[in-house]
Amino acid sequence: AQSVTQPDIHITVSEGASLELRCNYSYGATPYLFWYVQSPGQGLQLLLKYFSGDTLVQGIKGFEAEFKRSQSSFNLRKPSVHWSDAAEYFCAVWSDLRGGADGLTFGKGTHLIIQP
Amino acid sequence: NAGVTQTPKFRVLKTGQSMTLLCAQDMNHEYMYWYRQDPGMGLRLIHYSVGEGTTAKGEVPDGYNVSRLKKQNFLLGLESAAPSQTSVYFCASSYPGSNRIQFFGPGTRLTVL
Repeated sequence: AQSVTQPDIHITVSEGASLELRCNYSYGATPYLFWYVQSPGQGLQLLLKYFSGDTLVQGIKGFEAEFKRSQSSFNLRKPSVHWSDAAEYFCAVWSDLRGGADGLTFGKGTHLIIQP
Repeated sequence: NAGVTQTPKFRVLKTGQSMTLLCAQDMNHEYMYWYRQDPGMGLRLIHYSVGEGTTAKGEVPDGYNVSRLKKQNFLLGLESAAPSQTSVYFCASSYPGSNRIQFFGPGTRLTVL
């Protein structure tokens, strides 16, 4: 069965510093991978996705992620964080549900704190 | 377009009470989902639907029932609420195809005393 591991529960970064959030997945075939962000009291917003092709994908808000098959990883990066990036970040892997629906298996999330 | 909306935003129940959470989407999506989010657990799928009149169990279906009488609505019911069902509930929808992207509602925070 598929699974997603986000090793860091909390990460604290100074404003303007670079950021990398780790995500490791377990999936038998070529995975479809996602990063979602959840701001306090809000729903989840898609940051970026990887389906195939170029292993470095660009997303919204200046985020990017790199798919590394050999390491089963899909780490999220941003060169310079802003205070508004403080949020919960979820990595997810897609699976096919019965009936053709889109299943998502989520990691437990990483809480990002931005220091002034 | 409103996207995915959820009603209510907050609710407090006593153990044994029942309630229904409503999810509505205006994107004409075929697939709809209910998740629960608990601290340190990420999101877990409760039930989902691949179309009007159809529902299926997800990872954590016990204690919940769902109905999809209209394509745009997906209802989640708790017949006899328990404190273990205290959680934040998210609805999502998606469209068949290659993008496999789910769109999420803002969530319902439910507390069962």
